[in-house]
Amino acid sequence: AQTVTQSQPEMSVQEAETVTLSCTYDTSESDYYLFWYKQPPSRQMILVIRQEAYKQQNATENRFSVNFQKAAKSFSLKISDSQLGDAAMYFCAYRPITQGGSEKLVFGKGTKLTVNP
Amino acid sequence: KAGVTQTPRYLIKTRGQQVTLSCSPISGHRSVSWYQQTPGQGLQFLFEYFSETQRNKGNFPGRFSGRQFSNSRSEMNVSTLELGDSALYLCASSPTGLHSPLHFGNGTRLTVT
Repeated sequence: AQTVTQSQPEMSVQEAETVTLSCTYDTSESDYYLFWYKQPPSRQMILVIRQEAYKQQNATENRFSVNFQKAAKSFSLKISDSQLGDAAMYFCAYRPITQGGSEKLVFGKGTKLTVNP
Repeated sequence: KAGVTQTPRYLIKTRGQQVTLSCSPISGHRSVSWYQQTPGQGLQFLFEYFSETQRNKGNFPGRFSGRQFSNSRSEMNVSTLELGDSALYLCASSPTGLHSPLHFGNGTRLTVT
């Protein structure tokens, strides 16, 4: 079964500094997607960044970037120049590419990020 | 464009009752998924619908059911509620296809007493 592990239940960072959130996953598939979602207190899950497994280039979205190591099955998220609004729960998620087209996500347990002013 | 809308936002029910939660996807989105979020188990996949057909189902008892209407709106129903069903229920939609990320609603917080 596919599993996603986030080994850091909580992290904290000073405003304007950089923080890296870890994620590892287990799969026997060769094609899949990986995502980082953010869940602020408003409860809505917001897509931060996504990575297609067949792409070697690491995805970036403004201050957010990933370090995707396919062989090691590792997918970490780096947040640069952290802002108070980045404080939230961050979830790593995996989605296999299936013939049936299912978009089911497998989530990690999450990392609570605190940003200190 | 309006986002994914879930109603109600909060719900309190008694053990043994049944409940129906509603989800209106983003206009044009044909796929709707449901997830249960609890502190202990995290986010767990319930089921997924596409064009009124259940495309995938998670490992939940038969008390949990869902459906999707022709306008892509979806409902999920939980019968004979148990205390352990207390959770945040999240709905997500996507246009279709393998390259579409999911767009989530704000969820329905269900409390079973």
